[in-house]
Amino acid sequence: KQEVTQIPAALSVPEGENLVLNCSFTDSAIYNLQWFRQDPGKGLTSLLLIQSSQREQTSGRLNASLDKSSGRSTLYIAASQPGDSATYLCAVRGATQGGSEKLVFGKGTKLTVNP
Amino acid sequence: EAQVTQNPRYLITVTGKKLTVTCSQNMNHEYMSWYRQDPGLGLRQIYYSMNVEVTDKGDVPEGYKVSRKEKRNFPLILESPSPNQTSLYFCASSLSSPDRALIYGYTFGSGTRLTVV
Repeated sequence: KQEVTQIPAALSVPEGENLVLNCSFTDSAIYNLQWFRQDPGKGLTSLLLIQSSQREQTSGRLNASLDKSSGRSTLYIAASQPGDSATYLCAVRGATQGGSEKLVFGKGTKLTVNP
Repeated sequence: EAQVTQNPRYLITVTGKKLTVTCSQNMNHEYMSWYRQDPGLGLRQIYYSMNVEVTDKGDVPEGYKVSRKEKRNFPLILESPSPNQTSLYFCASSLSSPDRALIYGYTFGSGTRLTVV
C-alpha cells in the first residue's frame, strides 16, 4: 500500500529565504507526482505535475524534482514571500492495478513566511 | 474557465437528513473522484468514477453513495448523515489516456465544508 510522508510538518522562515519541502513515497510504481497548495479552509491549487519519466518541473519561483527510484520529491521555493504561506501537499498517482484511479496524499507541510 | 464546481460550499445539517453535494466539471474529463479531508488524517478517497456509469469504492466509502449518469456530473449522496461525516469534502477530475502512456494531473474543486449535528 502506497504511503506518502512529508517532512517537516511545519516550517517557519523569514521572508526572502530559499527553502525546500520534502516528500517521500514507499512504492516507486507511480505515473506522476503532483504538488498542491492549500490555503486555510480552501481548495487545492495544483502547483506542479511531474510525470514518472521526468526529473523536474519549474514554474516561476517553484522547482519540483522527482527521484522515482529512491521514492523522493522536493519542492524548492526561491525567495520566499509572505504570500507563500500555506500548506503544501504532495500526492502520487500509482501505476499499479487500481492505483491510478486515486491520488495518495501526504499530510502536508504548513509553511509560514514571516515579513 | 476550466474548473470543477462544487455546491454548496458550506452546509450544516442534522443527523439522518439525506443530502446531496453536487460536483460538475467543464473539461470533458473521464475520471472524477470524491475526497474527504480531516485533521490528522489528511485527504482520503471516498469514491471514484472512470467514466459514465462506472463507479467504484475508494478507501472510505461507508455511508456514501455516488452516481455518474452524465460525464460532467458526479454527485455525492449521504443517505443518513452522521456526525462522523463532518468534514471538508473535495471533488476532483482528471483526463485519462487510452494507453495510459500519459497520465494527467487532477483538478480539484473549492471544497464543501459539511457539519452534521
